[in-house]
Amino acid sequence: DQQVKQNSPSLSVQEGRISILNCDYTNSMFDYFLWYKKYPAEGPTFLISISSIKDKNEDGRFTVFLNKSAKHLSLHIVPSQPGDSAVYFCAAHLYNDYKLSFGAGTTVTVRA
Amino acid sequence: GAGVSQTPSNKVTEKGKYVELRCDPISGHTALYWYRQSLGQGPEFLIYFQGTGAADDSGLPNDRFFAVRPEGSVSTLKIQRTERGDSAVYLCASSWGAGGASGTDTQYFGPGTRLTVL
Repeated sequence: DQQVKQNSPSLSVQEGRISILNCDYTNSMFDYFLWYKKYPAEGPTFLISISSIKDKNEDGRFTVFLNKSAKHLSLHIVPSQPGDSAVYFCAAHLYNDYKLSFGAGTTVTVRA
Repeated sequence: GAGVSQTPSNKVTEKGKYVELRCDPISGHTALYWYRQSLGQGPEFLIYFQGTGAADDSGLPNDRFFAVRPEGSVSTLKIQRTERGDSAVYLCASSWGAGGASGTDTQYFGPGTRLTVL
């Protein structure tokens, strides 16, 4: 039973433009949401997170938006750079229970 | 400093054999997690250690899978009587284990062990 879903397996974007990655979840008890980035042959690397009590968190070029009523979050990357080409995973966990439920990932390709 | 390391990076075995996968967490991290990533999917939780004890093993698929962390540092994931369906990348992650005011506990992942069961 997949509780975190990323319905777009891939995204191609021009360098300098905005990348928008989407994620939906089914468990309303999730307390924290995270985005991880993964390069080939490496483990996932933490990118940015957001608490369920917030609707936006920003860190440099990366902004995560949370819409609790819609059970939806998104990651915006502005501007996109070639080094952003990777697989991005959305993940979530319950309050005080840090094991992560992951989506299937979205492969981002930034074109020069 | 050194990140999470996992050995071997690749393991090929035959159906029915026993395998051990090793994880060296970041020094000082008390929490350690094992995940399994099958092709085209995201990582799936297997087991979580806080110190030496398995705090949550609800993700282990069956009793062929077992993990230990005897001294609260290095962990070994053990798979008995391997099946072709066990083929996946096995990821280990570690964290401070505190959570605390941040509300979350950032996990740092190793590069994984790719297990292939023939």
